[in-house]
Amino acid sequence: NAGVTQTPKFRVLKTGQSMTLLCAQDMNHEYMYWYRQDPGMGLRLIHYSVGEGTTAKGEVPDGYNVSRLKKQNFLLGLESAAPSQTSVYFCASIPDGGPFTGELFFGEGSRLTVL
Amino acid sequence: DAKTTQPPSMDCAEGRAANLPCNHSTISGNEYVYWYRQIHSQGPQYIIHGLKNNETNEMASLIITEDRKSSTLILPHATLRDTAVYYCIVRVANRKGGKLIFGQGTELSVKP
Repeated sequence: NAGVTQTPKFRVLKTGQSMTLLCAQDMNHEYMYWYRQDPGMGLRLIHYSVGEGTTAKGEVPDGYNVSRLKKQNFLLGLESAAPSQTSVYFCASIPDGGPFTGELFFGEGSRLTVL
Repeated sequence: DAKTTQPPSMDCAEGRAANLPCNHSTISGNEYVYWYRQIHSQGPQYIIHGLKNNETNEMASLIITEDRKSSTLILPHATLRDTAVYYCIVRVANRKGGKLIFGQGTELSVKP
């Protein structure tokens, strides 16, 4: 049981390049989230998913796309990277069933630098 | 989900109680208050949550005002390891999907 795994953990891109961050969870969780965290700032929600095949916008969705083709995977794509997207990206998931107890499972983060 | 407001930073002496406030004046009757903390650059860790009664667990106590428009997280004997960013969130408990907004949080520095 690996929990929530993010790949890659580090990446350097040039402006205009594209890339995809993968979040994989092996706990059969229904709900998954992508956040970004800039230095000295809180977590900001980019996109989230409430189930396979569904996605929704968060607080800062511009410049990002997501897909949830399989329940266990939530992909975050940058079509044309910009220096403003330099950040640490966190993926999280919530167990389904029952009330929300506050329990969240986070990946270790992916540090992206856009030059 | 209701918006929360927290001070950006606080200091606390080691061994003393750390009291972290959170304002949530637009909270609805069915929304709970949840607290998390983020140490260094790890993912946030759940601390405690409550609806209207005060709550206590092995990590902290949560005091919610009678009108539920604000709350205080209390770390009774802060240690250097409690230095972290603390987030207050309000959320409906029976809706597990949907947005989960963390906000800016309070950066707590525990000093020797």
